[in-house]
Amino acid sequence: NAGVTQTPKFRVLKTGQSMTLLCAQDMNHEYMYWYRQDPGMGLRLIHYSVGEGTTAKGEVPDGYNVSRLKKQNFLLGLESAAPSQTSVYFCASSYLERSYNEQFFGPGTRLTVL
Amino acid sequence: GESVGLHLPTLSVQEGDNSIINCAYSNSASDYFIWYKQESGKGPQFIIDIRSNMDKRQGQRVTVLLNKTVKHLSLQIAATQPGDSAVYFCAEIRSNDYKLSFGAGTTVTVRA
Repeated sequence: NAGVTQTPKFRVLKTGQSMTLLCAQDMNHEYMYWYRQDPGMGLRLIHYSVGEGTTAKGEVPDGYNVSRLKKQNFLLGLESAAPSQTSVYFCASSYLERSYNEQFFGPGTRLTVL
Repeated sequence: GESVGLHLPTLSVQEGDNSIINCAYSNSASDYFIWYKQESGKGPQFIIDIRSNMDKRQGQRVTVLLNKTVKHLSLQIAATQPGDSAVYFCAEIRSNDYKLSFGAGTTVTVRA
């Protein structure tokens, strides 16, 4: 099993550009999450999904959109990138919503917005 | 401000010594706490968890202590090894929303 994978690993955008980050998991998990990690601030939840076709807002959802068209994939979109969105983005998945001891994280995507 | 935080951003430990990483939280409604380890270039990895009805839990070389009176959480690593060098995060789950809230992290460096 590959676990949780993220593409791309690195990306540099100009302000106003758009892009989509892809997260894929092969563990048949129902729940998927997108976090951002900024220096000195730990991880913050952007959006999450409790199943195929469903999404919900997390702590810092503004400027981002998500889609969960297939159970194994969770996409994070930036429609008009801003320098404040420079961060490392982590995707995670879990079988149950509260099984945090079994929440698996991907390796991260480092995004720089100029 | 943040409801979960670590006392020190960095910790340097001699190989073989015990490490103690501290975390303070402010939300008394939190009922579940987790410690994560994050190595350079990787995502966080679960280490150990503890529920609010416990004050101590032990794993392999790690012990988590919870003091609800002073809202304090600590992670103890026994016989610290070079592979323990990483950033350690504490996280809390509030009973009203079940979402993780992370602290800023402590960078542990193990000296040979």
